[in-house]
Amino acid sequence: DSGVTQTPKHLITATGQRVTLRCSPRSGDLSVYWYQQSLDQGLQFLIQYYNGEERAKGNILERFSAQQFPDLHSELNLSSLELGDSALYFCASSQRDTLNEQYFGPGTRLTVT
Amino acid sequence: GENVEQHPSTLSVQEGDSAVIKCTYSDSASNYFPWYKQELGKRPQLIIDIRSNVGEKKDQRIAVTLNKTAKHFSLHITETQPEDSAVYFCAASSDSGGYQKVTFGTGTKLQVIP
Repeated sequence: DSGVTQTPKHLITATGQRVTLRCSPRSGDLSVYWYQQSLDQGLQFLIQYYNGEERAKGNILERFSAQQFPDLHSELNLSSLELGDSALYFCASSQRDTLNEQYFGPGTRLTVT
Repeated sequence: GENVEQHPSTLSVQEGDSAVIKCTYSDSASNYFPWYKQELGKRPQLIIDIRSNVGEKKDQRIAVTLNKTAKHFSLHITETQPEDSAVYFCAASSDSGGYQKVTFGTGTKLQVIP
């Protein structure tokens, strides 16, 4: 157990809908990262927050957004869902904002039907 | 942007043999290189990492080497065991004024045959 929690574990929804994924970082970690892992594919970096501020953006679609709250938990919002958005979504946390080890949560499996 | 290539995509070795996974990166600004192990249906777990000011790092049966000039880094697992079977991902990360971008390789599926 890495100490990073994610909810929900599984999510099934229809195309066009909007969902929110939640992540709580390890105690003391200020950075949260979001990743998308499609079936049999690698990890795509989406976005990073550090102490409430957006720090880096990767391959995040405009339909996706995220935020980090004062208590450091983060939410990833996915809207106008498409079949291709079906994937595992991981969040990871780290102590600092750069160049340090990240600890992954268990992931949320999103299925869009 | 950064591009990380990882080879091979699949690797089968006999128990007790060594396994080597190689990655190349394109951005010379990358200076942190972690390796993750992901078992089926589970989260990626950091197994070892190396920073650009170090050429080699070892942790028991696992070692990582970095050649900054050639822009490649490798994971070496010695005396492989069945529980080493998993997908391994390399990653390259750069720090640009407090903005970190992480790019992962496409993964290597390692199978250790008992």
